[in-house]
Amino acid sequence: AQKITQTQPGMFVQEKEAVTLDCTYDTSDPSYGLFWYKQPSSGEMIFLIYQGSYDQQNATEGRYSLNFQKARKSANLVISASQLGDSAMYFCAMREGDDYKLSFGAGTTVTVRA
Amino acid sequence: EAGVAQSPRYKIIEKRQSVAFWCNPISGHATLYWYQQILGQGPKLLIQFQNNGVVDDSQLPKDRFSAERLKGVDSTLKIQPAKLEDSAVYLCASSSSGKAKNIQYFGAGTRLSVL
Repeated sequence: AQKITQTQPGMFVQEKEAVTLDCTYDTSDPSYGLFWYKQPSSGEMIFLIYQGSYDQQNATEGRYSLNFQKARKSANLVISASQLGDSAMYFCAMREGDDYKLSFGAGTTVTVRA
Repeated sequence: EAGVAQSPRYKIIEKRQSVAFWCNPISGHATLYWYQQILGQGPKLLIQFQNNGVVDDSQLPKDRFSAERLKGVDSTLKIQPAKLEDSAVYLCASSSSGKAKNIQYFGAGTRLSVL
């Protein structure tokens, strides 16, 4: 079974608007971590934000926020005030228990329009 | 602080040839990972090292792929012989052990084309 599901292959957003990228996950381990990475066309994976399964509050990092709904097993990324430089592929990933490896989703391509 | 360094950035080879990729992790990071990212997909873990020991190589095609991290710092991933389906981006990442978040930091990757 897929551990991470990203159902939106591609999205367009107008500059300065907000965009929400969906991510659902599947695990039976009560301890896990959820990550979002950005991959521009240059290829490097850039860490954006982290949410731990026991964290009480939704994570925020600048213009990035994570809408964590534990009961629904979803961890959606919200990018506020989109910029042209936000155009990239975005990946949701999960780490389970004491295992350090990450399981990635298929990614969502975001294109910001001027 | 310097990031994860990888070389080469691009490599084109013919099938059945061999190729090697090099990775230098962030200084002090004990854990090193190699991922394979096929076009249009998310990265898939090939092998994970803790210092110079292998933690997980369950997804590494051991008949053709090998990796080493002899001194617990740099790492080399080798493919011999290469197949057409090995065309992908090979990403190296490192993380600092013992921290709850265990954030993995990635290099720019090596884009391999097998003709």
